[in-house]
Amino acid sequence: AQSVTQPDIHITVSEGASLELRCNYSYGATPYLFWYVQSPGQGLQLLLKYFSGDTLVQGIKGFEAEFKRSQSSFNLRKPSVHWSDAAEYFCAVGGESQGNLIFGKGTKLSVKP
Amino acid sequence: KAGVTQTPRYLIKTRGQQVTLSCSPISGHRSVSWYQQTPGQGLQFLFEYFSETQRNKGNFPGRFSGRQFSNSRSEMNVSTLELGDSALYLCASSPLRGSQETQYFGPGTRLLVL
Repeated sequence: AQSVTQPDIHITVSEGASLELRCNYSYGATPYLFWYVQSPGQGLQLLLKYFSGDTLVQGIKGFEAEFKRSQSSFNLRKPSVHWSDAAEYFCAVGGESQGNLIFGKGTKLSVKP
Repeated sequence: KAGVTQTPRYLIKTRGQQVTLSCSPISGHRSVSWYQQTPGQGLQFLFEYFSETQRNKGNFPGRFSGRQFSNSRSEMNVSTLELGDSALYLCASSPLRGSQETQYFGPGTRLLVL
């Protein structure tokens, strides 16, 4: 079955600290992987995506993610968190011939001053 | 370019009523997908439209339906509303089909069923 697991429901980090949000997926074919961010009352904004090639992908707002096929993981990282990064983050998986995305339940990020 | 727009942004209905939500994709985008977001179930795929045809459908009852017009605008309809239909309904558009196409999301329509 196709699925995405985000083990952490809520994470709190101090401003300036590093961040890693975990994502594990289950997908039968070659996965296309995505991270989206959602601020309160807003839609989803794409942070980054991985289709193939270099397993370390860079995204907007200083985020990066690393694809590890052996671990079925696609963790999101940021070296130094800003207060404006407080939001909910969603990992998603799709396939080449598949128009829809399968989302994880999300990780809510709080940032302490 | 204007982003994906959804109308209305907020809606209150009572059980048994029906509702129609509208989505205008980014200009030039031909694929529109709909998702339901609830605190309990998270983001769940409803359906995908491309060139006025439903290409894919999620696991939702027949009360949920949709359509796409020749200008790529899409509507979704929910008949006989239930309390559990209260959710944020998100529309996403992309130039073509397939997950390799980035999906751009609208702000959503928040539906409250009383």
